[in-house]
Amino acid sequence: ELKVEQNPLFLSMQEGKNYTIYCNYSTTSDRLYWYRQDPGKSLESLFVLLSNGAVKQEGRLMASLDTKARLSTLHITAAVHDLSATYFCAVDIDRDDKIIFGKGTRLHILP
Amino acid sequence: SAVISQKPSRDICQRGTSLTIQCQVDSQVTMMFWYRQQPGQSLTLIATANQGSEATYESGFVIDKFPISRPNLTFSTLTVSNMSPEDSSIYLCSASKVVRTDTQYFGPGTRLTVL
Repeated sequence: ELKVEQNPLFLSMQEGKNYTIYCNYSTTSDRLYWYRQDPGKSLESLFVLLSNGAVKQEGRLMASLDTKARLSTLHITAAVHDLSATYFCAVDIDRDDKIIFGKGTRLHILP
Repeated sequence: SAVISQKPSRDICQRGTSLTIQCQVDSQVTMMFWYRQQPGQSLTLIATANQGSEATYESGFVIDKFPISRPNLTFSTLTVSNMSPEDSSIYLCSASKVVRTDTQYFGPGTRLTVL
């Protein structure tokens, strides 16, 4: 059974600081997603990572994938308050697009 | 891309009743899924809605409790049957086009409260 583990689950940080969220998964996969969810809202897609060594960046967020280590990271650079949200990683477990979510990282950025 | 709408956006229901949630996509998609999200929790996959055939349910979810229909490539329904307060949750549908580089899109969710 696929397990997707994120850490930390909660993170409170100051504006301007850098931090990394980790996503480990327990079986092989060829696709990993990062989503953002604001309170009371649905999920917003941030990144789709497809191959070993893939790196994608959007603004202050950068995601990477190491399929050999079964690890993805979401790095936040010079955090700003607007990035406060819950971030989920999700792993594609079969060719039919079925994805399994991690528990999410609740990020709170203090002004 | 795909834009997904859900109806209703929220509902308050009595124990023992059933509610049908509709999910409409603005373009044809290959795969559609239903998830449940408890407040402050992650998403749990309920089932894959297969077009023209019975849905595929995940462990812990059964067709009698969560019947699903998918009559075409843009529409699906999830019914929550014989509801109890434990069914109070947010139900989300998602869709994908099985294009390798594309994401999976999510609807806005239906917030269900069972009294």
